[in-house]
Amino acid sequence: DTEVTQTPKHLVMGMTNKKSLKCEQHMGHRAMYWYKQKAKKPPELMFVYSYEKLSINESVPSRFSPECPNSSLLNLHLHALQPEDSALYLCASSQDIQRNYNEQFFGPGTRLTVL
Amino acid sequence: AQKITQTQPGMFVQEKEAVTLDCTYDTSDPSYGLFWYKQPSSGEMIFLIYQGSYDQQNATEGRYSLNFQKARKSANLVISASQLGDSAMYFCAMRGVNTNAGKSTFGDGTTLTVKP
Repeated sequence: DTEVTQTPKHLVMGMTNKKSLKCEQHMGHRAMYWYKQKAKKPPELMFVYSYEKLSINESVPSRFSPECPNSSLLNLHLHALQPEDSALYLCASSQDIQRNYNEQFFGPGTRLTVL
Repeated sequence: AQKITQTQPGMFVQEKEAVTLDCTYDTSDPSYGLFWYKQPSSGEMIFLIYQGSYDQQNATEGRYSLNFQKARKSANLVISASQLGDSAMYFCAMRGVNTNAGKSTFGDGTTLTVKP
């Protein structure tokens, strides 16, 4: 199984809502990532988990809260988002973060719209 | 710091012809990996090909090959025999080990359109 799954595919939420994005992989990878991508732009790294511990936080606002309950699962909890947070949110995984030859496997993404 | 430059915002190619997408990079990391990803309009990023900084030979994967010129710091993607399904955005990316473990630096991307 070389697949990263993400749910939901689409999400529309108001600025006062609380929602969560879910990402799952069963490749035995020990590194998982969250990216934010605006249209026609490259992905921007948000968070990196390595062996279920938060390794990198790219100064992301606290209204985004990541969680890694186990090695296969990664969540992104959303609260009090702004309309400018509307974007495609991509999850990715790789074997680890130490080796530079480890390609990242991406999920299909969640298209988020904040009203 | 790492930097990836893709100078072609958009490219057109006739079906069945070959096309080269340019990528230049800059890094102080002595060991790094270079990657190409394809992103169709559906949104999913698809890994295409990898080249390590110490690899002596250019990487190939089916119709994809990477023209790696280390001295020029370039890692161009060559797609042979283009197909309509190749129409997508293509990103060049880099990962270092010593200074930026866990981080990938992406270029701005090139939108490729294959004409029938």
